[in-house]
Parts: sequence; structure tokens; C-alpha cells
Amino acid sequence: QVQLLESGPGLVTPSQTLSLTCTVSGDSVRSAIYYWTWIRQHPGKGLEWIGYIYHSGRSYYNPSLKSRVTMSVDTSKNQFSLRLNSVTAADTAVYFCARAAECSGGDCLRPFDFWGQGTLVTVSS
Amino acid sequence: QSVLTQPPSASGTPGQRVSISCSGSSANIGRTTVTWYQQLPGTAPKLLIYDNDQRPSGVPDRFSGSKSGTSASLAISGLQSEDEGDYFCAAWDDIVYGGVFGGGTKLTVL
Repeated sequence: QVQLLESGPGLVTPSQTLSLTCTVSGDSVRSAIYYWTWIRQHPGKGLEWIGYIYHSGRSYYNPSLKSRVTMSVDTSKNQFSLRLNSVTAADTAVYFCARAAECSGGDCLRPFDFWGQGTLVTVSS
Repeated sequence: QSVLTQPPSASGTPGQRVSISCSGSSANIGRTTVTWYQQLPGTAPKLLIYDNDQRPSGVPDRFSGSKSGTSASLAISGLQSEDEGDYFCAAWDDIVYGGVFGGGTKLTVL
């Protein structure tokens, strides 16, 4: 069974960088089929796609966050990571990592078939 | 304000059939596939429907998806108390050039 687990600081100071890691078990981030994604959910709100990354490093980011986001993959540790810089209180959210499967035809949003449990990150001084 | 529009709430009694709509545009639903997620209280979202109408292994056939033009719909038949939670639609948007979610629909089983 595929499992994902987010890890990282639960509290980040405003203007600093949020860094999270997702450890994958039951699958390999080197998979030729899947992308690896980050999604966040503001308290009591809906879901926001942050972006996804392939094992080669090819990535797609949400345009609204693109200037502040960097994703990376560490195949030796079977992990992938998120860095979000210049954070503000508006970045306080539960951050989920997930596996992104294939979708049919053209530009499509890959379905997220396995999710981590999520980790709450609070931006506050 | 979400790019994809869902009703904020829906409800039904056990055994009933409930439908949740997701309205978009030619930049998203009108040109690509729709995915649906279920989020039960205090848990991570779960993939319910992909490619408009496909169910992943393990999802009961009580859940079905459809798409017509720039709108999509999730139907739940034989409603059960454990279906109570939030439901989100999602798709790729060619104007935003990224993934977008609906605002979510809170389903209450009366």
C-alpha cells in the first residue's frame, strides 16, 4: 500500500521560508507514471493545488504561487519537498502531499490517488 | 472565489439519491476531465471519481460522475450516514494554466 508522510516545522516566522518533506513508501518517486504533488487547505476552507513534480525535476506550479515555490525530488531518500519563501499569515494552512496519477488526454489535472495525512503549518511571529 | 462553482451545501436522507454540481467554463471543464474528492471530517481528501466518470478500485458504485459541456455532476445513490462530509471537484484551467478546485459542497445526511 502506498503511504505518504509529511514532515517539517509546524510554525514558521513571517517573511521566512516554509520547508516540508514528503516521504513515500510502497512506491518509488522514480516511477515513470506518477507525478508528486503538494496541495494546501486553509483553515475551514477549500483545497488549493500548489503544484507537482516528476522524478526528472520537471515541475508545474500554481501560477499564483509560482514566484515563491520550489519543489524538488530526492530519489535516494524516496522523498520530495516543498519550499515556499516569503511567507505571510495567508500561508497558514494544512499542507498535503499526494501522488498524482495519469489522466486522459491533453492538458488535464492529474488525479491525486494517495494522500498524506496533512500537516498544519502556522505562520506567526 | 473559486474558478469552479459548487453549491455550498447539499443534504438528503438515508437511502436517497443526491447530486452535487460543479460549474466551470470552456477554459476548464469544457475542455478537460473532471475529478471528484471526498473529505470526511478530520481526514485527508480521498479520490472518488477521475476522468469524469471513472471510479478507482474500492470506491462503491453508489458514487458516479458525469460531465456535459462546461458542467459536471457527482451523484450519490443509496445515501449513507458515513457519506457525510465535504466534496470537491477539480480540473485543469487553461487560462490560469494550473489546477483548480471547486469551493466544496458540505453534504449532510439528515
